[in-house]
Amino acid sequence: RKEVEQDPGPFNVPEGATVAFNCTYSNSASQSFFWYRQDCRKEPKLLMSVYSSGNEDGRFTAQLNRASQYISLLIRDSKLSDSATYLCVVIGPFGNEKLTFGTGTRLTIIP
Amino acid sequence: NAGVTQTPKFRILKIGQSMTLQCTQDMNHNYMYWYRQDPGMGLKLIYYSVGAGITDKGEVPNGYNVSRSTTEDFPLRLELAAPSQTSVYFCASSVPGGQNIQYFGAGTRLSVL
Repeated sequence: RKEVEQDPGPFNVPEGATVAFNCTYSNSASQSFFWYRQDCRKEPKLLMSVYSSGNEDGRFTAQLNRASQYISLLIRDSKLSDSATYLCVVIGPFGNEKLTFGTGTRLTIIP
Repeated sequence: NAGVTQTPKFRILKIGQSMTLQCTQDMNHNYMYWYRQDPGMGLKLIYYSVGAGITDKGEVPNGYNVSRSTTEDFPLRLELAAPSQTSVYFCASSVPGGQNIQYFGAGTRLSVL
């Protein structure tokens, strides 16, 4: 089983719709969780951290489910500019020097 | 601040050639990383460094070498280029502790023919 697994997509979603995707992780002792965004042929950038209590940043909501070992990302009122690949990232359990990246979920917002 | 700067942006190598990918950061970050990203794949960690003079292997270190003589610079060396090393290479830096948020360079696209 991969350490971090994501549905590669692509998810093709009409503008204004709500879209959600999940990421599962294999090590129950993992410590920290993040979503990074990567535009086509660009470098990844941090989108948001994922906290146990869930967190929201504008149209984006991230959730962590430790019991089922997955994190989720919800995007409301999707914009054309949300088209990108979303990378799930996990840290731990032994120290925070190394990050494990998922392969990414590709999202395309359709006008 | 320029952030993390990688050079070159593109390079084509012949099999067996060697080259050094340069990475420098001006944020005084202790941690630095080299990743490779193959098409449709996630980032794979090649090497990382938690400070000047300290380096450690990641998931896919074979065929690569690194050094960290200063806080700012973390070059990646390919000694005998192979077609399997065709990839996009990203350098990143971060601050130790906390969430280890990674700041990436723009990447180097390398083709080995």
